[in-house]
Amino acid sequence: GAVVSQHPSWVICKSGTSVKIECRSLDFQATTMFWYRQFPKQSLMLMATSNEGSKATYEQGVEKDKFLINHASLTLSTLTVTSAHPEDSSFYICSARDDRTGGLTEAFFGQGTRLTVV
Amino acid sequence: SQQGEEDPQALSIQEGENATMNCSYKTSINNLQWYRQNSGRGLVHLILIRSNEREKHSGRLRVTLDTSKKSSSLLITASRAADTASYFCATFNQAGTALIFGKGTTLSVSS
Repeated sequence: GAVVSQHPSWVICKSGTSVKIECRSLDFQATTMFWYRQFPKQSLMLMATSNEGSKATYEQGVEKDKFLINHASLTLSTLTVTSAHPEDSSFYICSARDDRTGGLTEAFFGQGTRLTVV
Repeated sequence: SQQGEEDPQALSIQEGENATMNCSYKTSINNLQWYRQNSGRGLVHLILIRSNEREKHSGRLRVTLDTSKKSSSLLITASRAADTASYFCATFNQAGTALIFGKGTTLSVSS
């Protein structure tokens, strides 16, 4: 099946620093990728839709200047958490759908990144 | 934004028993999907049911969809300890781009 690789799987950073998380589709192209955030024992909350070659679309309440998204190629999207604070500590998950299937099909998920800001 | 509710929030059963999880959603849908998440991991797609389907099977999984009630159920038969995970239903947002997830059911299967 299709594979989405997310890196790193965990990261600890100091307050005020920035952290970059990568999401790669390994065996398919994805014009659109999605970033979610998940707090402990809660569901996934959509943060933004990442579009290759254009600006990301952010969900209401998500600060675009804090969560920078770059979708530089058809297989790579990055999420940068800028000036991280302890409240940004969370589990971040990316997902993508195969461009070849198109339409409303299943999504493939990365393994997630556990961010801890100290 | 959350698509809807799932119940129960948590379910504990013994191996061999069946587990039923329910999901309700708010908007009209093209399809509804179920995903599984092991603790601290990404999600794995289990099954997709289209709006014109009422029931679908995949191995030990059985999914039903009632569009008139805007609800779906996931049945796992003859559960195993390895089925211990969180299960989420998901539907597409109004733009038809991103999946929106329900609150999930945490299933614990003890041997």
